[in-house]
Amino acid sequence: AQSVAQPEDQVNVAEGNPLTVKCTYSVSGNPYLFWYVQYPNRGLQFLLKYITGDNLVKGSYGFEAEFNKSQTSFHLKKPSALVSDSALYFCAVRDSYNTDKLIFGTGTRLQVFP
Amino acid sequence: AAGVIQSPRHLIKEKRETATLKCYPIPRHDTVYWYQQGPGQDPQFLISFYEKMQSDKGSIPDRFSAQQFSDYHSELNMSSLELGDSALYFCASSPGTSGANEQFFGPGTRLTVL
Repeated sequence: AQSVAQPEDQVNVAEGNPLTVKCTYSVSGNPYLFWYVQYPNRGLQFLLKYITGDNLVKGSYGFEAEFNKSQTSFHLKKPSALVSDSALYFCAVRDSYNTDKLIFGTGTRLQVFP
Repeated sequence: AAGVIQSPRHLIKEKRETATLKCYPIPRHDTVYWYQQGPGQDPQFLISFYEKMQSDKGSIPDRFSAQQFSDYHSELNMSSLELGDSALYFCASSPGTSGANEQFFGPGTRLTVL
């Protein structure tokens, strides 16, 4: 069965510091991995994805994520956090054997303090 | 750039009433997905359509039905509404059903059942 785990409900970081939001996954086929961000009362905005190729993928707003097959992880990172990055972040996976639905993690609330 | 349009943005209904949510995908996107996000929860996949045919089905109650029309817009019909149906309903679209394609989400329809 497909599943995604985001072990931290909330991550707090000071502005200017690096941030990491953790995600691990479980799929039966090859994983297609995604990160989305949700601001209050807004829809989900796509940040980045891993399909194949380089393990380090770069996305919108300076975010990047590293795919680690042996650890089945896809952690989201940013070298220098901004207060405006404060939002709810969702990791999601699609199984290559099941091309439609996204399976989301429970979300991690990122709070960046000035 | 054009985004996914959902209407209405807010909807208040009484128990046992019906509701219809509409979704207009990004131009040239032929695949539509519906998700339900309960309060404080991650989005849960309901159903998807590709080229006007149901493509995949998730945890959609029998009281709900959906379809995709010739212009690719989609409608989610919800009958015999229950208090537990109160949630944010997202529509997403993508070009094709390839698992590698990210899904672009609309702003959501917030349904409140009283």
